[in-house]
Amino acid sequence: QSALTQPRSVSGSPGQSVTISCTGTSSDVGGYNYVSWYQQHPGKAPKLMIYDVSKRPSGVPDRFSGSKSGNTASLTISGLQAEDEADYYCCSYAGSYVVFGGGTKLTVL
Amino acid sequence: QVQLVQSGAEVKKPGASVKVSCKASGYTFTSYYMHWVRQAPGQGLEWMGIINPSGGSTSYAQKFQGRVTMTRDTSTSTVYMELSSLRSEDTAVYYCARPGYSSGWYFDLWGRGTLVTVSS
Repeated sequence: QSALTQPRSVSGSPGQSVTISCTGTSSDVGGYNYVSWYQQHPGKAPKLMIYDVSKRPSGVPDRFSGSKSGNTASLTISGLQAEDEADYYCCSYAGSYVVFGGGTKLTVL
Repeated sequence: QVQLVQSGAEVKKPGASVKVSCKASGYTFTSYYMHWVRQAPGQGLEWMGIINPSGGSTSYAQKFQGRVTMTRDTSTSTVYMELSSLRSEDTAVYYCARPGYSSGWYFDLWGRGTLVTVSS
């Protein structure tokens, strides 16, 4: 039950786009369309941003989008805003259990 | 409103046990499974396990097998997570998290977290 692999940090300027990758295996990311993404600000609980690879909960801006290719899922944030600065975690169903990525710190320059 | 309210912070000595509660409100308690996720200071999220509040069945992450017990009380719409044989590495914020649909595998409702500190 190994964690999914995410880059430790990414950065971008306001208005730009950034993509965060999440690499797993055929037993988790590649095997199911149950990848979700969470945003976490310091001292706060995680917030769901994307579920089922590419679906957006109501209230989440359409600047956030998700995709998957093989064993790698991606979260893209377009039109970066200052409030997007946070930690982001991917998560995948892995057959009766759940595995998270190690987290990516997004810095808005 | 729909929410999960967790119990307060705890300080425990190594070797002790801790029991964290999570009280659900605003929805039908038995219609959604409940997960527990923890986060050590400065670290990432770690899934601990799941409980079906309807029948009480559970499934735990391999790492916590034998040390964690998840239970529920349907009369108070509360789930509990008990972790035993605590060690310093168990110092973390423990979250309960409800899936987006009954037995789903993404979490759209989170508690605010309970800080458990293990220190001698």
